[in-house]
Amino acid sequence: GAVVSQHPSRVICKSGTSVKIECRSLDFQATTMFWYRQFPKQSLMLMATSNEGSKATYEQGVEKDKFLINHASLTLSTLTVTSAHPEDSSFYICSARAKGGGPYEQYFGPGTRLTVT
Amino acid sequence: ILNVEQSPQSLHVQEGDSTNFTCSFPSSNFYALHWYRWETAKSPEALFVMTLNGDEKKKGRISATLNTKEGYSYLYIKGSQPEDSATYLCASGGSYIPTFGRGTSLIVHP
Repeated sequence: GAVVSQHPSRVICKSGTSVKIECRSLDFQATTMFWYRQFPKQSLMLMATSNEGSKATYEQGVEKDKFLINHASLTLSTLTVTSAHPEDSSFYICSARAKGGGPYEQYFGPGTRLTVT
Repeated sequence: ILNVEQSPQSLHVQEGDSTNFTCSFPSSNFYALHWYRWETAKSPEALFVMTLNGDEKKKGRISATLNTKEGYSYLYIKGSQPEDSATYLCASGGSYIPTFGRGTSLIVHP
């Protein structure tokens, strides 16, 4: 149980285009989803927290107009990188907290490697 | 310590060796300490969540201890096996959303 999927696992796009990454909870309802970014040899850095049906809360320094997060249902959250640039190339990973679950739990997806050329 | 620090950054051991890693975190405003196991191309998998000073947890050959007063946690693996090869992440913070360390990459050679 508690499986989170991400799609795509890898994506290469051209500078200036937008890319959408999907995060799905497959066997549970996720009231809260988190989006992280990891640069090479760095730690997972929280970008934003989203609650179903509400606007996402972004961490300091993360541009909300560039990284659009939508959490329209209890099983799906999407991250859209708009007008991507090479410096947005990174590993993006989501996690989800289950409805009725404990305060400490997070179930992670396998991540998406984004390369902007 | 302002961030969550893990050491060593990487570790190579032989099958059968026992090993341990360290996670250091700010001791003030402690909430919880998490350990995750992350295999390449897979999702990070939660190993332990610890909240109380002196906590010790065990799962098979893997165990962890917690010292919240001095701000560190140890993860031990007894009799390492090649399937233990992974990156081990710890995370801690003063809220429900922890801060992650950079991880310790463990490679167990057969």
